[in-house]
Amino acid sequence: NAGVMQNPRHLVRRRGQEARLRCSPMKGHSHVYWYRQLPEEGLKFMVYLQKENIIDESGMPKERFSAEFPKEGPSILRIQQVVRGDSAAYFCASSPWTDTLTQYFGPGTRLLVL
Amino acid sequence: AQRVTQPEKLLSVFKGAPVELKCNYSYSGSPELFWYVQYSRQRLQLLLRHISRESIKGFTADLNKGETSFHLKKPFAQEEDSAMYYCALRLGSGGSNYKLTFGKGTLLTVNP
Repeated sequence: NAGVMQNPRHLVRRRGQEARLRCSPMKGHSHVYWYRQLPEEGLKFMVYLQKENIIDESGMPKERFSAEFPKEGPSILRIQQVVRGDSAAYFCASSPWTDTLTQYFGPGTRLLVL
Repeated sequence: AQRVTQPEKLLSVFKGAPVELKCNYSYSGSPELFWYVQYSRQRLQLLLRHISRESIKGFTADLNKGETSFHLKKPFAQEEDSAMYYCALRLGSGGSNYKLTFGKGTLLTVNP
């Protein structure tokens, strides 16, 4: 099992562009969580998704950010019209439906907005 | 709202010395506490959780509800313990108990 995969590992965008971050959960896992780590901060919960459903997006900024986890394919975190303050490490975690309380983390995507 | 505080951003010890990474939390209920570790260029991985009361790689942590602390300890540090350590909290029950709240982390360096 390759573990949670995230790509790209590093992403550079200019202000106003869109950023798309992908997360492939571990095999057999149907629950995905996104966390953001701003510089000098701890990881902060953003959103919790199951296949084709957003369960909890209480940690997502109200504008420009969206997430999906389609029936087929990876989970996508989309940031539209990026600003410098979006520069951060974005971590994805997954868990199986049998144990939603144990989260396995991916390596993260480091987004830099110029 | 719950909060996790790791007061030390950096901690440096010599090999063979005891090490203690501090973690304090604020939450009025009964949380679950975790320690995660991130070695250089590797992903975040679970080190231990308080409900398991286990020892992993020689590390232990005891939940002290009176002091609202969950300090991570190891009696004899090894060079391979050098890593970033995060303390995390999860609500013990309720509808949002999948959310992890992390501290800012402590970078441990074990010198030869």
